[in-house]
Amino acid sequence: QKEVEQNSGPLSVPEGAIASLNCTYSDRGSQSFFWYRQYSGKSPELIMFIYSNGDKEDGRFTAQLNKASQYVSLLIRDSQPSDSATYLCAVTPPGIYNQGGKLIFGQGTELSVKP
Amino acid sequence: SQTIHQWPATLVQPVGSPLSLECTVEGTSNPNLYWYRQAAGRGLQLLFYSVGIGQISSEVPQNLSASRPQDRQFILSSKKLLLSDSGFYLCAWSPSSGGARTQYFGPGTRLLVL
Repeated sequence: QKEVEQNSGPLSVPEGAIASLNCTYSDRGSQSFFWYRQYSGKSPELIMFIYSNGDKEDGRFTAQLNKASQYVSLLIRDSQPSDSATYLCAVTPPGIYNQGGKLIFGQGTELSVKP
Repeated sequence: SQTIHQWPATLVQPVGSPLSLECTVEGTSNPNLYWYRQAAGRGLQLLFYSVGIGQISSEVPQNLSASRPQDRQFILSSKKLLLSDSGFYLCAWSPSSGGARTQYFGPGTRLLVL
């Protein structure tokens, strides 16, 4: 079983719609959860992180965390063609196993926003 | 503010040649440092991480090695490159203490081994 799973996509949404990106993780003790955006040929850039159950909003982006279901999602409101990229979910495993602050990354979901 | 640099940006090397990729971080002290590789269309594979000068942890056995000669310098090396070493090499840093331990990535080095 993969430790962090994402649907590889591509996920296609029309401009102005809400894009919903999902991520599940296997280790119930995972502590912090990150969303990165990676444009083709570029390095990943941090969008936001969340560590408490519930929602966290930053502009058009909302991260949602449900630790009981081991599920984290990213909502992008009013999607724009410039949001077209691969979105990577990353998880911090429990501290006892995480010397050095390692992250476990999912394979990423490709998002395409059509004008 | 913190800045992370990687060079070179692109590299084409013959099979069997040596490799040296360099990463430096500015604006922070005692960061955790990481080397990742991303094959085309694939996810990130953690190769090495370091929590301090001279301290290297290897995640995947291979013909690559890493060194941290200075607090904010991280080097990825190989004595003899393989075709399978082609990929996008990313260096990242994170705070060594604190809450979320967010990782921040450098611009990457694209390596093609022929």
